[in-house]
Amino acid sequence: DTAVSQTPKYLVTQMGNDKSIKCEQNLGHDTMYWYKQDSKKFLKIMFSYNNKELIINETVPNRFSPKSPDKAHLNLHINSLELGDSAVYFCASSQEWTSGASYNEQFFGPGTRLTVL
Amino acid sequence: AQKVTQAQTEISVVEKEDVTLDCVYETRDTTYYLFWYKQPPSGELVFLIRRNSFDEQNEISGRYSWNFQKSTSSFNFTITASQVVDSAVYFCALTRTSGTYKYIFGTGTRLKVLA
Repeated sequence: DTAVSQTPKYLVTQMGNDKSIKCEQNLGHDTMYWYKQDSKKFLKIMFSYNNKELIINETVPNRFSPKSPDKAHLNLHINSLELGDSAVYFCASSQEWTSGASYNEQFFGPGTRLTVL
Repeated sequence: AQKVTQAQTEISVVEKEDVTLDCVYETRDTTYYLFWYKQPPSGELVFLIRRNSFDEQNEISGRYSWNFQKSTSSFNFTITASQVVDSAVYFCALTRTSGTYKYIFGTGTRLKVLA
């Protein structure tokens, strides 16, 4: 059984379009994340949700909007896609959010490779 | 500010050689956690180890071992008798245990194990 799943795995789209990436975890974790990995493999956190509440919002353009309908799902919607948005986007989850910090290991999804033409 | 440095961008070794991946971190916190993750060519990140700042014991898991030294702010990872399947990008990461949470990743080290 897949612990953290993302759809789609590949996404190719034109500049200016709006697209969504879905993420689901079946681990019963409270906290979910979105990361962006650029072409140089640099991995940077974008958002984090704990029990459907936004707890981390890094300096991300407001064209990116996360949505968590329940604690098992965290979707990422991107408006007006730009060339610089091309990257691999990873969803992750971890157990327990304690005292404002999460230091448990994170379980990552397979990634969504977004290519903006 | 917190920072994780993996100075080795890419390492190539021949199968069965030992290899050490370096990780140096910066933090003003006294309590923190360090991690290593593996990202094989398939792309998914896989958790390898977590270490808290109070536990400086070295750890060995099969061919993998980790050397944590607070005095030098380093958390190095050694693979003994490397195998082709060890080829991957390895990330070191740091997180706080209080205040504003942030999971800081290093830039990764690409390890190529040649047959």
